[in-house]
Amino acid sequence: AQSVAQPEDQVNVAEGNPLTVKCTYSVSGNPYLFWYVQYPNRGLQFLLKYITGDNLVKGSYGFEAEFNKSQTSFHLKKPSALVSDSALYFCAVRDMKKAAGNKLTFGGGTRVLVKP
Amino acid sequence: SAVISQKPSRDICQRGTSLTIQCQVDSQVTMMFWYRQQPGQSLTLIATANQGSEATYESGFVIDKFPISRPNLTFSTLTVSNMSPEDSSIYLCSVASIAGGSETQYFGPGTRLLVL
Repeated sequence: AQSVAQPEDQVNVAEGNPLTVKCTYSVSGNPYLFWYVQYPNRGLQFLLKYITGDNLVKGSYGFEAEFNKSQTSFHLKKPSALVSDSALYFCAVRDMKKAAGNKLTFGGGTRVLVKP
Repeated sequence: SAVISQKPSRDICQRGTSLTIQCQVDSQVTMMFWYRQQPGQSLTLIATANQGSEATYESGFVIDKFPISRPNLTFSTLTVSNMSPEDSSIYLCSVASIAGGSETQYFGPGTRLLVL
């Protein structure tokens, strides 16, 4: 079975400071990893994904994430947070094994609050 | 990425009634999915909507409660039947699309359902 853990329910950061949102995963095969963001009263927006290749993935709105196979982690980062980055962030995983189908498993979400 | 719309965007319903949610995509897609996001919770996959065959339901979800239609490659409906207050959630449609040589799921804006 595949699973995702986001250990922090909420992350508070001052505007202009670095932002990190943590994610660890568990799959039986190799992972596809995703980050999504949900703004208030909106659907989920795709930020970035890791499939294979370079461990550092760059995505939308200045976000990036680093895949670490030995630590089974895929932490989301932004060098300088903006107040507008305040939202709910979800990490998701899909097992590359064909038998796992296309099912995405989501973490519990981390609320990010960026203070001016 | 695919442009996905959902109708209605929100609704307030009485217990015991049913609501049908529509999902429309601007391009033909093979895979469509329905998720539920209960208040303050993460996303849970309800079912995969298969064109030309019955939907594939996840554990804990049954066709009698959540019948799904997929008449073509751009449209799907989810019905929430015999509703109770516990069905109050955001219901999200998603589609799998090939982006950058690999599959990514994109989400609609969601339907916010309150059952009284």
